[in-house]
Order: sequence, then C-alpha cells, then structure tokens
Amino acid sequence: GAGVSQSPSNKVTEKGKDVELRCDPISGHTALYWYRQSLGQGLEFLIYFQGNSAPDKSGLPSDRFSAERTGGSVSTLTIQRTQQEDSAVYLCASSPAASREKLFFGSGTQLSVL
Amino acid sequence: DQQVKQNSPSLSVQEGRISILNCDYTNSMFDYFLWYKKYPAEGPTFLISISSIKDKNEDGRFTVFLNKSAKHLSLHIVPSQPGDSAVYFCAARLLELLRGSNYKLTFGKGTLLTVNP
Repeated sequence: GAGVSQSPSNKVTEKGKDVELRCDPISGHTALYWYRQSLGQGLEFLIYFQGNSAPDKSGLPSDRFSAERTGGSVSTLTIQRTQQEDSAVYLCASSPAASREKLFFGSGTQLSVL
Repeated sequence: DQQVKQNSPSLSVQEGRISILNCDYTNSMFDYFLWYKKYPAEGPTFLISISSIKDKNEDGRFTVFLNKSAKHLSLHIVPSQPGDSAVYFCAARLLELLRGSNYKLTFGKGTLLTVNP
C-alpha cells in the first residue's frame, strides 16, 4: 500500500467521549498534515509536522485537540470531550520535502458525535 | 472570512463539452494555486497547479488560467468525461520568503462537477 492510510474510516461517538484518529503517511514523506472538512465547508488546516521540528499547531480549534507524530511516521489526532461541532471528516496528508504543497491525502475519518 | 471562494457549489455539463470551474481569492499574498479533485469516500488528489508568475498551465485535458489583477483562476477541462465527475477544490498558498516556510493551503468549499453521458 503506497498511499496514506487512515483509521478508522468511520467513528461514531457520544458527546463527551475521547477519540483517537490514526494516520500512516507515505513512506519517506517528511511532512504530515491534518485537515478537517465540516459539512459544506472547505478543508480547514489543523496541524503540521515536519521532521523533528516543533509542529505548527496554529489550526487546532481548541485545547481539546492534540496530535503527535511518533518516530517521524505515524500520527495520532486526539479529540478529548468531543462536542457535536467536532463532527467532520478528518483528513491526513503527507508530502515529500521537495514539493510540500502537493499533498497526498488519505481517505479520511468520518467522525460523528451524537 | 473566506480567502478562497468557489461561488458555484455545482456544475453540470455534457460529455465532450468544456467544463469551466472558477475560483476567486482575496489575499494578494497568495502566490501558488492548486486544484484538487475528490471522489466520494476518497481523499482529495492533486490535479494541477500554477505559480503566480504564470498565467496558464496545461496538462492534457486540464488547463488552469490565472488572472492576478482580477484575483481569479479557472480550471478548464476539455473534453469533459463522465469520469471527471467529482468535487473540485481550489487551494492557495502564501508567498514563501524562505523555501518551505509556507506549507498551509487555504481551500475553497469546492464545486461538484457532474458530467452527463
């Protein structure tokens, strides 16, 4: 599998519960991004990882959101105490160092908070 | 405040005809523009891009035109095929003062293109 892999593909949770979304980027891609798409909206930047540099967390909407990237590869996005407005498709993307603007996206995780 | 706007939520064209998808932006510091294509239940895939130093970029059936003075770009698909039916996102990146310093893309809301056989 050469593409970006995300799991789970769908997640239904109750308001107030914590969720973890996983992303496995393309091997060799140094940059990893999380975006989300709420219904009827464009893709919204959440966080960016590049190698060993400190991540750019400027897009995270609240302190309930956090993300980590272990060993420069797999990333986990965690949402604590989920709210209904967190319902969205969460998309992970990776890109090679040479062309960071050309993102390779995973299929996303559809999160539904009831 | 939407900096990248795709004002047409949907577009329907006949197979073989030209599809024109439009995108407007407000930030004059955007210097690189991309189009992504998204099928249902899949992630967006990169389609074509253009630097602000150019006004046209062509790749097979796909051509992107950039009008900097109007802050407008468009994607032309000729001839349109049923397999082109998808959501098309316009995206923009801010001017990089240092290579690699800007990596965030600002996306529009997308336009659903339907190509009818």
